[in-house]
Amino acid sequence: QSVLTQPPSVSGAPGQRVTISCTGSSSNIGAAYDVHWYQQLPGTAPKLLIYANTKRPSGVPDRFSGSKSGTSASLAITGLQAEDEADYYCQSYDSSLSVVFGGGTKLTVL
Amino acid sequence: QVQLQESGPGLVKPSETLSLTCTVSGGLVTSSAYFWSWIRQPPGKGLEWIGYFYYRGRTNYNPSLKSRVTMSEDTSKNQISLKLSSVTAADTAVYYCARGPRTDYADYWGQGTLVTVSS
Repeated sequence: QSVLTQPPSVSGAPGQRVTISCTGSSSNIGAAYDVHWYQQLPGTAPKLLIYANTKRPSGVPDRFSGSKSGTSASLAITGLQAEDEADYYCQSYDSSLSVVFGGGTKLTVL
Repeated sequence: QVQLQESGPGLVKPSETLSLTCTVSGGLVTSSAYFWSWIRQPPGKGLEWIGYFYYRGRTNYNPSLKSRVTMSEDTSKNQISLKLSSVTAADTAVYYCARGPRTDYADYWGQGTLVTVSS
């Protein structure tokens, strides 16, 4: 059982907008620790998508955006494309002195 | 641009010690600007943070693995190493090394290496 909770799967048609939630608690996201997001394409290493809740590394399209409120965070993807089909993971820090991940969400582009 | 490459045995026997090396190019493991992490992913499952190694030997390990984990550096080879003792089948995973400007996220990852624990 992951410390951060994500939906196992989400789906959307090309061009649509999808969101992926990441729910934590008062010992991690709710304790004002930042949330980061990774994209993992099949058979590859994770790639940093969003860091510090809302920031995009150079080269990441602005179709990807992050937000955080209270004990939860969300990743939004607009203008969905076939190449966005991947697993997405949120990450934060927990006051148990550990970096923690969500269980991952599989995005299917219909 | 920094590149990370994991290497080590792909098969380890139960109760033995898993040993992996991460060779870094395009940056120095002795830099005080970065944290060098190990993260693993069991087949078909999610990511688990193992710990990080930082400047001058400072480390922080996942509490659930702390008693079995050791991370160190070899500055002559610009490498970071991971040792995980007393392994079981539950330690079978793809092991990634990664670099981050902070302790809590990584901006560059290696391609990962699969380690299977089996007799």
